[in-house]
Amino acid sequence: LAKTTQPISMDSYEGQEVNITCSHNNIATNDYITWYQQFPSQGPRFIIQGYKTKVTNEVASLFIPADRKSSTLSLPRVSLSDTAVYYCLVGDSGGSYIPTFGRGTSLIVHP
Amino acid sequence: GAVVSQHPSRVICKSGTSVKIECRSLDFQATTMFWYRQFPKKSLMLMATSNEGSKATYEQGVEKDKFLINHASLTLSTLTVTSAHPEDSSFYICSARRGEGPETQYFGPGTRLLVL
Repeated sequence: LAKTTQPISMDSYEGQEVNITCSHNNIATNDYITWYQQFPSQGPRFIIQGYKTKVTNEVASLFIPADRKSSTLSLPRVSLSDTAVYYCLVGDSGGSYIPTFGRGTSLIVHP
Repeated sequence: GAVVSQHPSRVICKSGTSVKIECRSLDFQATTMFWYRQFPKKSLMLMATSNEGSKATYEQGVEKDKFLINHASLTLSTLTVTSAHPEDSSFYICSARRGEGPETQYFGPGTRLLVL
């Protein structure tokens, strides 16, 4: 399983763009990169998933460089409700994939 | 998206009693479910992988006789904390896999267990 490394915490202000980078140096060819958001006392919620280049949905963008050894979750114009812990997971999503969580990044959005 | 439920959402019990937590995939069949526990301000720690119709696979350090897992159908997995003690107090989260390929992992809302 590819190990992931993220910053432990980040601070931002309402309306700013937030970029959270995850390092996964030993990512395998078949691995996808998935980001989850977790609020206190709730289960993780899927945000976005990608394999390479750029993926965008209604809540975030995911940038993956050509070597795929890192990825960046971009949250545009954050609000106070984006305060949460964000986890980056790497795996092939196949039958043998076991989602394993790293420490995650605690994002605090200030007024 | 797919929905996974957990019941109960929170439970308080006395030390020495057993508590059962249910995890259901509401709109899809899940051949594999995962159980996690999470302590305050910590990450999710995988406890076991539950496969329908077979014995669960426990992670190292997780007592299988303490945390009984049953996956009797494609939509239900249960975690029973036997002879609960205060140190078992935690947030328990399940997830269910829908098929294979990307975007196939869905998490339940979690169950808060407090053992007095």
